[in-house]
Amino acid sequence: SQQGEEDPQALSIQEGENATMNCSYKTSINNLQWYRQNSGRGLVHLILIRSNEREKHSGRLRVTLDTSKKSSSLLITASRAADTASYFCATGGGFKTIFGAGTRLFVKA
Amino acid sequence: NAGVTQTPKFRVLKTGQSMTLLCAQDMNHEYMYWYRQDPGMGLRLIHYSVGEGTTAKGEVPDGYNVSRLKKQNFLLGLESAAPSQTSVYFCASSRYALTGGATGDTGELFFGEGSRLTVL
Repeated sequence: SQQGEEDPQALSIQEGENATMNCSYKTSINNLQWYRQNSGRGLVHLILIRSNEREKHSGRLRVTLDTSKKSSSLLITASRAADTASYFCATGGGFKTIFGAGTRLFVKA
Repeated sequence: NAGVTQTPKFRVLKTGQSMTLLCAQDMNHEYMYWYRQDPGMGLRLIHYSVGEGTTAKGEVPDGYNVSRLKKQNFLLGLESAAPSQTSVYFCASSRYALTGGATGDTGELFFGEGSRLTVL
């Protein structure tokens, strides 16, 4: 079962532009995480935001969480070709982690 | 530090054949997981383990078996492969079972590079 659903499914932008991906979920959460998956590779954890946080930053990443709307967004600023990957939101943690279907981001050089 | 290592990376099977995927982690994590990834469906948990000698079913356990004889290894077996098991399989490990543990715990999963299995 999918708890998180990402939007859009795919996104194509020019290098230097900002990329915004959204995630909606269905039930109450304690935290929400974002992962990145480069083509043919495993997932890599990017950032976690807890339910009592509204915004979190890590380098060029900015994550927001709106628990009233059951949604989160991931913003990548000044995107680079190396940011080309699939991005997944995930709720829960450990064996209760539930992943969304992901957003495929393509950054054109 | 290798992290999580999966073998083999690629395998082609005929329907009815059996095989085992091996996952090894060198981070001394208690918790290990096997996921499958199919197009448009994200990752789905097959089985997981909360420690050496333990296993539990995830969301899609049918047709798979697992064993955790050593803390660092988690094996996924297919006794009689079916075309529906064509997928990319990922092993993961974590230090904690759930987020919100010790201070600084991000609850993150550490993934291997994946094993692509095709069943003809």
